[in-house]
Amino acid sequence: KQEVTQIPAALSVPEGENLVLNCSFTDSAIYNLQWFRQDPGKGLTSLLLIQSSQREQTSGRLNASLDKSSGRSTLYIAASQPGDSATYLCAVERVGNTPLVFGKGTRLSVIA
Amino acid sequence: KAGVTQTPRYLIKTRGQQVTLSCSPISGHRSVSWYQQTPGQGLQFLFEYFSETQRNKGNFPGRFSGRQFSNSRSEMNVSTLELGDSALYLCASSVDTDTQYFGPGTRLTVL
Repeated sequence: KQEVTQIPAALSVPEGENLVLNCSFTDSAIYNLQWFRQDPGKGLTSLLLIQSSQREQTSGRLNASLDKSSGRSTLYIAASQPGDSATYLCAVERVGNTPLVFGKGTRLSVIA
Repeated sequence: KAGVTQTPRYLIKTRGQQVTLSCSPISGHRSVSWYQQTPGQGLQFLFEYFSETQRNKGNFPGRFSGRQFSNSRSEMNVSTLELGDSALYLCASSVDTDTQYFGPGTRLTVL
């Protein structure tokens, strides 16, 4: 059974700092991995999707990497801003048509 | 292009009642998935419908059911509500097995 873990559960950083969020998964047979952002009480916004054949994806100040062999992904946020404050979730989709399995998220606070 | 919409956004029910939640996917998307999000368990998959057929099902009791209509809109129903059913219910749509786009969710409170 696929399990996804995100560490730390919460993180507080000063504005302007670069930071890394971690995601690990137990079954390396994944189809893709996705990072989402969730604001309090809201739905999820997809940030980056990495196919299993890819090593990383970039969008603006965000960079996500994937190491299938070690079962790890990182989300790098450069020059953090207060508007980045949210919960960040990673989710994996197993090989084949199976549902997303989510981690419990990292709650990020960027202090001005 | 309009995003995924969910109605209602907020709902308060009492134990023993039943509830129906609705999800309208992005135009052209044929897959709709439902998730339950609680502080303790996080996001858990309920079920997925594709072209009016349930394609995947999570590990939830039979009180949770769903359906999908020919226009891809989907409903989920929870019967005999329990306090533990209080949660944010999210639906997501996709063309098939690619990126899922999530709606804003329905916040269900069971008293």
